[in-house]
Parts: sequence; structure tokens; C-alpha cells
Amino acid sequence: DAGVIQSPRHEVTEMGQEVTLRCKPISGHNSLFWYRQTMMRGLELLIYFNNNVPIDDSGMPEDRFSAKMPNASFSTLKIQPSEPRDSAVYFCASSLEGGARNSPLHFGNGTRLTVT
Amino acid sequence: AQTVTQSQPEMSVQEAETVTLSCTYDTSENNYYLFWYKQPPSRQMILVIRQEAYKQQNATENRFSVNFQKAAKSFSLKISDSQLGDTAMYFCAFTGAGSYQLTFGKGTKLSVIP
Repeated sequence: DAGVIQSPRHEVTEMGQEVTLRCKPISGHNSLFWYRQTMMRGLELLIYFNNNVPIDDSGMPEDRFSAKMPNASFSTLKIQPSEPRDSAVYFCASSLEGGARNSPLHFGNGTRLTVT
Repeated sequence: AQTVTQSQPEMSVQEAETVTLSCTYDTSENNYYLFWYKQPPSRQMILVIRQEAYKQQNATENRFSVNFQKAAKSFSLKISDSQLGDTAMYFCAFTGAGSYQLTFGKGTKLSVIP
């Protein structure tokens, strides 16, 4: 079990550029979550997929943010255009079914995004 | 809406001693789940312990145990025989029985001193 794999581990970009964060969930997990962590707001849920379908994207801050899950083994979070206030650590997490109440949520190592 | 409050931004403990981290939450639900996650400097979030609200017995995992007080809506984490590897941020989290979303507290930074 390789765990949840995120790439890149660090990303530094200039304001206005497009940023794409990638996630490979644990094989067999059908629930996938994107979280954002900042000092001010802590950990916030951005979007939740179940069986590759977005179920809840109410946490996506603006239209500049979009997420896709084209298949069970891959998801992306895209920011276009990026702004300095998007600087944060972005986590991907997966679980067997329906989230933490049913099975443990497994987190990736996160992507630290810095927008200058 | 549920809220999770961790009132201790930072704590320290001597190696081999015991430390307790506090967490309170607010919910109108009767059935829910509570968690403690550890985030070491490596950044990965690691599940430490889980408690189901309908179980009266406090959960334990080796050196980690909880004191779950449902009426008081309190869920503290006790770490016994603290080790240097316990140095990390600790997050308390909540999810309702019918929910997929984890609500996290702001975290407590624990330092274990040699």
C-alpha cells in the first residue's frame, strides 16, 4: 500500500499563472477529498468526490478553483489564475466509503503552494 | 454547524511524562465520531485515535487514550510515556453520523523535551 500520493511536493509560481496539483488515491478507495490548510483558517474541505463524481464543491473558494477526477486513480486541483492568497498546503485524502465515519481518512503528504 | 475548539495553541512535556490535550466541540447531533490526528514536521496527517459517540468506553491505542465526556462535549487526548517522536501538531476532528465531512480544530503544537 503506497498510500495517497500527491505531486508536486512544493510548487512556487507567480501570480496569474496556472497551477495544477495532482493526487493518486489508495487503490480501492472510492471517496476522495481535497483540503486546504492555512495558518489563519486551519484545515478546510474544498471538494468531495464519491465514485469519481463531485458530490460537494461548496468549499471551493472561487471560480478560479476547479477539480476533476477522470478515473478512480487520479484527481487534479487546478487554480487559474493563481493569486498570492492561494498560498497554502493542499492535501488530498481518500477513504473506502463515504468519509471518516466509515473508514479512516488517509492523507497524502500535501503540496505546499507559494504564489509570489 | 459543528465547531471544534482546541484552546491550547502550544504545549510542551518532558520525555517519558504524560500530557493531556484538550478539545471541545459543539453539535446538535446525537450520533457522531471524533478523531485525533497527528501532523509531524513531515506534514502528513496521521490518524491517532477514533471514538464513536454511542460507545461509552473511552478509546485507547497503546500510549494514546481519550477522555470522552459526551454531556460536556469534551474529547481530550492523553499521551503517556511521551517520546520525542510525539512532537507534532495535534488536531481534533468531528464528523456526524450521516456526514462525509471532517471538521477540524485549529490544532495544538506539542513539543516533547528531552
